Amino acid sequence: DAGVIQSPRHEVTEMGQEVTLRCKPISGHNSLFWYRQTMMRGLELLIYFNNNVPIDDSGMPEDRFSAKMPNASFSTLKIQPSEPRDSAVYFCASSLTHRISYNEQFFGPGTRLTVL
Amino acid sequence: EDQVTQSPEALRLQEGESSSLNCSYTVSGLRGLFWYRQDPGKGPEFLFTLYSAGEEKEKERLKATLTKKESFLHITAPKPEDSATYLCAVQGAAGNKLTFGGGTRVLVKP
Repeated sequence: DAGVIQSPRHEVTEMGQEVTLRCKPISGHNSLFWYRQTMMRGLELLIYFNNNVPIDDSGMPEDRFSAKMPNASFSTLKIQPSEPRDSAVYFCASSLTHRISYNEQFFGPGTRLTVL
Repeated sequence: EDQVTQSPEALRLQEGESSSLNCSYTVSGLRGLFWYRQDPGKGPEFLFTLYSAGEEKEKERLKATLTKKESFLHITAPKPEDSATYLCAVQGAAGNKLTFGGGTRVLVKP
């Protein structure tokens, strides 16, 4: 069974360019999470979706960041315009969430973003 | 706001030298405490979920325990392949989000 799939694995871009990160969750999972990991701040939740609906986007740093989940098998995280301080590893995770159960999240391999 | 603090930040062990990692937390209505292992260049890999104080779980050389304020990850007779960063996270009553600690980098030398 395939795990969470992310693309690209590495992205190098110049300041001001638009960046789009992609994620395919594990089939059958109904929750999807976008995280950012840096040495300084560790692993931070940016946004998460339940059944394709954004539930909590309080971690999105600013309006330059946006995320969509058009269907159960695909999500994107877009940064426009990108800045050097956006350089980080971005992880996507998915889980099977029930209202009263406790659900481990399964992480993808991450996208390493470098903004020059 | 949920908070998770892990200590120590880094741990160097000789092969076979047992030790413990600490995860202290504050959370409104703990629904679960999670331990993950992360290898360089990879995403976190799920290890354990603990739900209530007094609970323990084991996997090979790892044993996780939980109290009302902290969790411990005990590594018994570690091997070099146990070298990784170990992350602790909590899920509170507010939703499905996890709040992660800063992690403990473990290096086991042969």
